[in-house]
Amino acid sequence: KAGVTQTPRYLIKTRGQQVTLSCSPISGHRSVSWYQQTPGQGLQFLFEYFSETQRNKGNFPGRFSGRQFSNSRSEMNVSTLELGDSALYLCASSLVSAGVAEQFFGPGTRLTVL
Amino acid sequence: TQLLEQSPQFLSIQEGENLTVYCNSSSVFSSLQWYRQEPGEGPVLLVTVVTGGEVKKLKRLTFQFGDARKDSSLHITAAQPGDTGLYLCAGGESGGGADGLTFGKGTHLIIQP
Repeated sequence: KAGVTQTPRYLIKTRGQQVTLSCSPISGHRSVSWYQQTPGQGLQFLFEYFSETQRNKGNFPGRFSGRQFSNSRSEMNVSTLELGDSALYLCASSLVSAGVAEQFFGPGTRLTVL
Repeated sequence: TQLLEQSPQFLSIQEGENLTVYCNSSSVFSSLQWYRQEPGEGPVLLVTVVTGGEVKKLKRLTFQFGDARKDSSLHITAAQPGDTGLYLCAGGESGGGADGLTFGKGTHLIIQP
């Protein structure tokens, strides 16, 4: 079974631009979550989508948004990029088992904002 | 807000040594997961523990969930260079769902040959 895929793997943008990242979950997984990982803050939860609906949202500004399509693929968008948005953005799909969400992560998209 | 603190933050030891890393919180979690992340890759799930006092073994790795479900430990026996990586613990709240996962900042482990 193929794992979680993310595109692109690397991205360089300048301040003020916007960016869209893509994630394809494991086949059969309907939940997709997004995380931001930085050396200082670690892994921080952005939001989770399930059946095309945002189910939960972390504590990030409205510049961060996402959506999920009927085939469970998900995109996240960051508008008006800031230097502090430079990070590894990870997507994870999950199969809730016995009430426990086990996350299967993709390799991430490394975003650098100049 | 639930917080998970991992210690030590960095650990560098020689091949063949044993080590233990810790994951502590003042909050109770319904489950605790351990992940390992290598440079340039996403975290990979190692184990999930759900019962207080539970111990799980994965080859040379032993995971324990505290009796009160507030803490966990990962013990590695006879560490090998392939164990090098960032070890993350994540606590899950009851009801499941991604919102229930709180990640620690991780322990950077380096095993020197």
